[in-house]
Amino acid sequence: EVQLLESGGGLVQPGGSLRLSCAASGFTFDNIGMAWVRQAPGKGLEWVAVITANSDITHYVDSAEGRFTISRDNFKNTLYLQMNTLRPDDTARYYCVKSWWLDNWGQGTLVTVSS
Amino acid sequence: DVVMTQSPLSLPATLGQPASLSCRSSESLVDSDGNIYLNWFQQRPGQAPRRLIYQVSKRDSGVSDRFSGSGSGTDFTLKISRVEAEDVGVYYCLQVSHWPMTFGPGTTVDLK
Repeated sequence: EVQLLESGGGLVQPGGSLRLSCAASGFTFDNIGMAWVRQAPGKGLEWVAVITANSDITHYVDSAEGRFTISRDNFKNTLYLQMNTLRPDDTARYYCVKSWWLDNWGQGTLVTVSS
Repeated sequence: DVVMTQSPLSLPATLGQPASLSCRSSESLVDSDGNIYLNWFQQRPGQAPRRLIYQVSKRDSGVSDRFSGSGSGTDFTLKISRVEAEDVGVYYCLQVSHWPMTFGPGTTVDLK
């Protein structure tokens, strides 16, 4: 069974940083591209970043370009999202998602950017 | 970017009756290989989204056969053959045919 367990969310001040982690199990992690998708409170879904299986390609939504970094450790079966220079409009639940076709989702971790 | 629109945005459904949700794209979702990567997701209240349908009409494992997807080009439909209480939630379409991937705004299904 595919399991994706996010952690690292919390309350941070504007301009601060957070690193999200996603522990993956139940599938061959190093064969699959991964993604982060977020959902602001009461809003729809927005993809944030994607990464290929071997980390050679990454893409970011325009609003995250230059501030967020997606990475992975295939030995630890873990996906990361380093978020810097956080803004109030980054407040959202962040979901770790398996594959670029978004076939399995974690339960998400809540990030709140507020002073 | 491809713009995805969904209609209606709110759908009051009747238990046991069919329901139809529409998703339209601003350009054809046929990619360079002739494939269409249009997915449907369900998000029940307080839960994470889950994928129901991929590549227009293929049901994910464990998804009820009451759900079916169809469409081509720019027009796509998710049908629920007989609405059940557990179907309440928001349904999103997503295109992955053209980069960047883009979601529709969602259709909220509730019960009359």
